[in-house]
Amino acid sequence: GAVVSQHPSWVICKSGTSVKIECRSLDFQATTMFWYRQFPKQSLMLMATSNEGSKATYEQGVEKDKFLINHASLTLSTLTVTSAHPEDSSFYICSARPSGNIREAQYFGPGTRLLVL
Amino acid sequence: QKEVEQNSGPLSVPEGAIASLNCTYSDRGSQSFFWYRQYSGKSPELIMFIYSNGDKEDGRFTAQLNKASQYVSLLIRDSQPSDSATYLCAVKKAPDMRFGAGTRLTVKP
Repeated sequence: GAVVSQHPSWVICKSGTSVKIECRSLDFQATTMFWYRQFPKQSLMLMATSNEGSKATYEQGVEKDKFLINHASLTLSTLTVTSAHPEDSSFYICSARPSGNIREAQYFGPGTRLLVL
Repeated sequence: QKEVEQNSGPLSVPEGAIASLNCTYSDRGSQSFFWYRQYSGKSPELIMFIYSNGDKEDGRFTAQLNKASQYVSLLIRDSQPSDSATYLCAVKKAPDMRFGAGTRLTVKP
């Protein structure tokens, strides 16, 4: 149980294009999902918290107009990197928290590796 | 003071030894405590959780929690080279979960 998928796992794009990453909770409902970014050999950095049916909450320093988050259902959140630039190249990881049990862990997706040329 | 602190390591132990990973947290109201393992190039995976003071064992892993000291640890017995990874401590005070920066563990054959 508690499986989270992400798609795509790898994406290479040209500078200036937009990239959409999907995060799905496969066997549970998730009112809240989280988006992280991780650069090589660095810690996870929380970018934003996504709540189903409402606007995402962004961490300080994360541009909400650049990283668009949509959480339209209890099993799907999307992150769109708009007008991507080489400095956006990173490992993007989502996680989902099952609805209901407040003590419950977060479960991570396998991550999406983005390379912007 | 960081909310969740871990020694970044690297922590190096020989194969078969006990690896001890430590974590301290600042918020006394924290309710749930988790250990995640992250292999290089992969996303974190949950390996242990503990809610109450004391020890919790699962196979070769033991999580220890001391709320009075605001301290949580993970012991890995009979360490294997496949245990080499970064271990993230996570502390939850609902609804927020805070992660430590992780301790890199290397188990040498």
